[in-house]
This record gives sequence, structure tokens and C-alpha cells, in this order.
Amino acid sequence: GNSVTQMEGPVTLSEEAFLTINCTYTATGYPSLFWYVQYPGEGLQLLLKATKADDKGSNKGFEATYRKETTSFHLEKGSVQVSDSAVYFCALSDSSSASKIIFGSGTRLSIRP
Amino acid sequence: GAGVSQSPSNKVTEKGKDVELRCDPISGHTALYWYRQSLGQGLEFLIYFQGNSAPDKSGLPSDRFSAERTGGSVSTLTIQRTQQEDSAVYLCASNTAGTGEQFFGPGTRLTVL
Repeated sequence: GNSVTQMEGPVTLSEEAFLTINCTYTATGYPSLFWYVQYPGEGLQLLLKATKADDKGSNKGFEATYRKETTSFHLEKGSVQVSDSAVYFCALSDSSSASKIIFGSGTRLSIRP
Repeated sequence: GAGVSQSPSNKVTEKGKDVELRCDPISGHTALYWYRQSLGQGLEFLIYFQGNSAPDKSGLPSDRFSAERTGGSVSTLTIQRTQQEDSAVYLCASNTAGTGEQFFGPGTRLTVL
């Protein structure tokens, strides 16, 4: 069945460092791909999404490109800030049920000042 | 406008007791989802309601778990004869079917002693 595998955390970086959080997926059909973020004490919220191959989702300085050839959707940011500390979830839509979303296990990111 | 709300925010119960968790979706959203987030784990899909269609119950872990959605709006997740392994944060989300992005509530933290 469909699944998402993402980099295990926790990931700790210094402020202004480059960030990559790896995410790969297994899916039939053509799913949409998402990154959700959960800031401390807050609910999950959508960070960015891509709906077809080679699409790039971007928001708040984060980017991820839908790579069908490598079944990947890695999250990147050129210069992280302390406020980026959160748990990040990679997810895909289940192509058999357009609205059902399958989430990865989450990666906790901590940024040191 | 108002987001997804859930109640209670915290629930502590004794093993063997029944609990009910409530979710109020965003007004007008036709789809409603329940997930479970255990400590250090990703989001586990439980159940999905879409309009008047039969719900997708494929994620419910046992017959102790059930959910209903009355009037196409408010949903209640019921866990009967709770076990310690049911301790987790239960998240509710809603959206308009086919849009991909889900809007999450703050969750109910359930602790079974």
C-alpha cells in the first residue's frame, strides 16, 4: 500500500544553517505530496504542497520538489531560524481516496541560536 | 473564521472506562477525519467521513473504537473499555473533499491510567 518514509529525528542545527529533511514515498497512481508542520503547542498546519511531478511547493523560505523518478519530496531551507523549531511531517494523498492523507512519522527539528 | 475545535483538550481516564471525544469541523467542510498521534509516532489514520457516504473505517484499530458524525457536522469518537495503549493525542481534521489540504484541530490528549 501507499506509504511515506521520512528522515528520523531529532535534527539539531545552528541558526542560519542549511536544512534538508528527506522524504520518500511509495504510491500507486499520482498522489499529491505535502509537508505539514507542528509548532510547539500548536496544531498541525500545511506548510507546502505539490500536486504533480516536477512541481515545487514553497512557503516561508521552505521548498520541496515532487520528484517522481526518485519518489522523493525532500524539504529544504537555505537558512533556518530558531522559530523554525517544530515537528515536520511529510504526507501524500491516497490516490484511491482523493482526500485521505497518509503521514510519515515526523521529524523533530531544533534550531540553536 | 473559526477553525476546527476539539473537546476536551485533555482527558484522563481509568482503564476499562469509555470515553467520548468531540470534534467541531470548520463550517461548510464536507469531509472530516480522525487521526491518532502516539508519543514519538506519526499520525495514524483512524476514520474518514465524506458527506452522506459510508465512512472509511479502515484505520480503526479495534472494535472498541467507533465514530459517528451527526447532521454532517459534529463528530464523536468513542473508545470503549479503554486500554493503556490507547493513550495518545487524538486529532480531528476537516476539509472540502478533493482540495488536499486538511485543517487540523488542537487535539485531545487522552491518558489511560
